[in-house]
Amino acid sequence: DSGVTQTPKHLITATGQRVTLRCSPRSGDLSVYWYQQSLDQGLQFLIQYYNGEERAKGNILERFSAQQFPDLHSELNLSSLELGDSALYFCASSVAVGQNYGYTFGSGTRLTVV
Amino acid sequence: AQTVTQSQPEMSVQEAETVTLSCTYDTSESNYYLFWYKQPPSRQMILVIRQEAYKQQNATENRFSVNFQKAAKSFSLKISDSQLGDTAMYFCAFMSPRGGNTPLVFGKGTRLSVIA
Repeated sequence: DSGVTQTPKHLITATGQRVTLRCSPRSGDLSVYWYQQSLDQGLQFLIQYYNGEERAKGNILERFSAQQFPDLHSELNLSSLELGDSALYFCASSVAVGQNYGYTFGSGTRLTVV
Repeated sequence: AQTVTQSQPEMSVQEAETVTLSCTYDTSESNYYLFWYKQPPSRQMILVIRQEAYKQQNATENRFSVNFQKAAKSFSLKISDSQLGDTAMYFCAFMSPRGGNTPLVFGKGTRLSVIA
């Protein structure tokens, strides 16, 4: 157990629907990162939060949004889902912004859009 | 923007042998951090090893070691005495020391199969 908790582990939904992925960072970590891993692809950075504030954005679609709450857990909202959104979504956390010891990753949420 | 390239999509190695996975990166910065992550079939992303660019000594973690060539912008991972449990996807990643606006950048990965 890495200490980063992601729920749900699996999600199957239809095109056009909206889903919410949840992440609880490791205890003491203030920074949360969201990554998308499509089939046979590397991890693409979506968005980063630090202590409740957005810090960096990657290639995140306008249909996607995220937030980090006062208790530091984060949610990634995906709306108007398309088949191409099917992927593994990872959350990672670190103690501080730019923590250079690397991130701790959750086990991911497998999203399947049918 | 920084980029990370892993030119070997797939590799295989016999159990107990040694294998080297390649990684090159592109950056204009002089100080940065490099990582190798392992993703076994369980999908969990596991940090294998970390290298600070300003340190000339190559990092080592048990059977895992790196060959860091800063001038060539190369960061290869050597796995010695390969074990069946080393079968996984391996991702090379780069981080700028400024960190706040430059999260980890990953390569596309190398799928390693250890054969009994």
